[in-house]
Amino acid sequence: QQQVKQSPQSLIVQKGGISIINCAYENTAFDYFPWYQQFPGKGPALLIAIRPDVSEKKEGRFTISFNKSAKQFSLHIMDSQPGDSATYFCAASVTSGTYKYIFGTGTRLKVLA
Amino acid sequence: NAGVTQTPKFQVLKTGQSMTLQCAQDMNHNSMYWYRQDPGMGLRLIYYSASEGTTDKGEVPNGYNVSRLNKREFSLRLESAAPSQTSVYFCASTSIPGQGESEQYFGPGTRLTVT
Repeated sequence: QQQVKQSPQSLIVQKGGISIINCAYENTAFDYFPWYQQFPGKGPALLIAIRPDVSEKKEGRFTISFNKSAKQFSLHIMDSQPGDSATYFCAASVTSGTYKYIFGTGTRLKVLA
Repeated sequence: NAGVTQTPKFQVLKTGQSMTLQCAQDMNHNSMYWYRQDPGMGLRLIYYSASEGTTDKGEVPNGYNVSRLNKREFSLRLESAAPSQTSVYFCASTSIPGQGESEQYFGPGTRLTVT
């Protein structure tokens, strides 16, 4: 029940295309869903996050879509660029107490020039 | 403002050796975390400290111990290293912005190899 399932494991997209990464969760107590971006040799960094009271959040080329009834959320990268090539992790958290995150297994994105 | 710092960046140990990974944050965060990252496994929580003076086990605590030395520092100790502990280790700390959202700030990682 604590798992966050992420797919696909890897993704190759042409420059200018749309990258879509999906995550699913079971625990309905989760109330905060961040996405982290990690470049090789670096620590993960927050990219964008959403709370379940909204169905979509957009920041520049990055959009989170959230489906509370299906317990699924996804990251869309519009107009993907080679600089977006990185590993992306979804996560889920309960925003009280210890703020522990449960991370997905990650998606390695490669955007071809 | 250095954020979250970790030392060392790289380490090679022989099976059975011990070592301590150091982590410090200068953002006045209450909560700190240790994760390990393995291919295909994502980030798995080893231990966390919700506040100074408290520590709790995460998902994969076996073979590790931690110390929350003060509000800034949170160390991870391997008492008797095993090849299964070969991994990249990340320390993180949490801010708690006003609307209940929590951004975890990660350090640059320590790449540990146990032979």
